[in-house]
Amino acid sequence: DAGVTQSPTHLIKTRGQQVTLRCSPKSGHDTVSWYQQALGQGPQFIFQYYEEEERQRGNFPDRFSGHQFPNYSSELNVNALLLGDSALYLCASSWGGSGGTGELFFGEGSRLTVL
Amino acid sequence: GQNIDQPTEMTATEGAIVQINCTYQTSGFNGLFWYQQHAGEAPTFLSYNVLDGLEEKGRFSSFLSRSKGYSYLLLKELQMKDSASYLCAIRNQAGTALIFGKGTTLSVSS
Repeated sequence: DAGVTQSPTHLIKTRGQQVTLRCSPKSGHDTVSWYQQALGQGPQFIFQYYEEEERQRGNFPDRFSGHQFPNYSSELNVNALLLGDSALYLCASSWGGSGGTGELFFGEGSRLTVL
Repeated sequence: GQNIDQPTEMTATEGAIVQINCTYQTSGFNGLFWYQQHAGEAPTFLSYNVLDGLEEKGRFSSFLSRSKGYSYLLLKELQMKDSASYLCAIRNQAGTALIFGKGTTLSVSS
């Protein structure tokens, strides 16, 4: 049973560029959440997708956008990259959107470096 | 708003017991979680508390007091592999997001 898979694992971009990160949830999960984790910090919630719609959004600018596909996979897009966007981007999947134990299964992350 | 505090670093020796504290302030409580994260790896779920009291799972236990806005993670019989960051998180009222603390880096030495 494959867990949460993310791609790419590492990438380097320059300021002003755009990036797309991809995530496939754990088998049986229908909800995908994205988190940003800066070095030495805890993960920060970006948004959650459920039934192909953005269900909840954290305190991130509109430069951060996402999408969920019918097969529950998801993309995170970041436009007009800033140096401060350098971080580990974690995708987490769960079942049922909200409620339950809320156990999130995290992927290994995509490490983005903005130069 | 929500605020979570936990110590930045802790050290302990193999075989010992360590308690990692977490205090929180939130406008709506919907469960508290502990995650373990080894360097360069994904966070993994350790425990979940929604009611006051102690939840035990093998060498790991987690305690919650909602009235005090306080939780702790207790690790017994420490092993070198327990060296990791331990993240305390509370779930938002809508149940759609976890709000994480900055994490506590635990170093276990022999």
